[in-house]
Amino acid sequence: AQSVTQPDARVTVSEGASLQLRCKYSYFGTPYLFWYVQYPRQGLQLLLKYYPGDPVVQGVNGFEAEFSKSNSSFHLRKASVHWSDWAVYFCAVSISGGNYKPTFGKGTSLVVHP
Amino acid sequence: GPKVLQIPSHQIIDMGQMVTLNCDPVSNHLYFYWYKQILGQQMEFLVNFYNGKVMEKSKLFKDQFSVERPDGSYFTLKIQPTALEDSAVYFCASRGQGANTGQLYFGEGSKLTVL
Repeated sequence: AQSVTQPDARVTVSEGASLQLRCKYSYFGTPYLFWYVQYPRQGLQLLLKYYPGDPVVQGVNGFEAEFSKSNSSFHLRKASVHWSDWAVYFCAVSISGGNYKPTFGKGTSLVVHP
Repeated sequence: GPKVLQIPSHQIIDMGQMVTLNCDPVSNHLYFYWYKQILGQQMEFLVNFYNGKVMEKSKLFKDQFSVERPDGSYFTLKIQPTALEDSAVYFCASRGQGANTGQLYFGEGSKLTVL
């Protein structure tokens, strides 16, 4: 079965600084990978998704992520963080033969300081 | 973008009572999911549903849980009877077919508090 590890429960950055949120997945084949963001008291919103193809995918609000098969990773990046990015970020993996149900990581809480 | 609506947004009930959580999925979507999120923790898969049938369920989907989508209306999650450990936020999701296969659209969640 597939799994996702987000090793950082909490990341703190200053506004304007660059950001990387880490995600490692476990799956033998080629997965579909997603990053979702959850703002306080809201549902999940899709930031970006990876389907087999270009390893670097662009998302909304300046986010991008890079798929690495050799490292089994799908790290999320942003060049300059804004205070409105303060939220919890979830990495998820799904597979075509598994009803496409995503398996989520435990999430990384992003705190942005002025 | 496509929206999944969930009703109610918050429900407080006494242990042992029945609760029904309603989900209005994205129009023309055919695959439906329920996830459970306990405060501050990760989203856990409960069940997915297609063509009137449960396709897959997790060990969290206890015997007291049931899902249905009568006559193409709301996709519902019913818990009867409820237990204290059912307190959580329940997220509904739906997906379609075609170019975006694999992408789930989530609602804003129904927070259930069991007293």
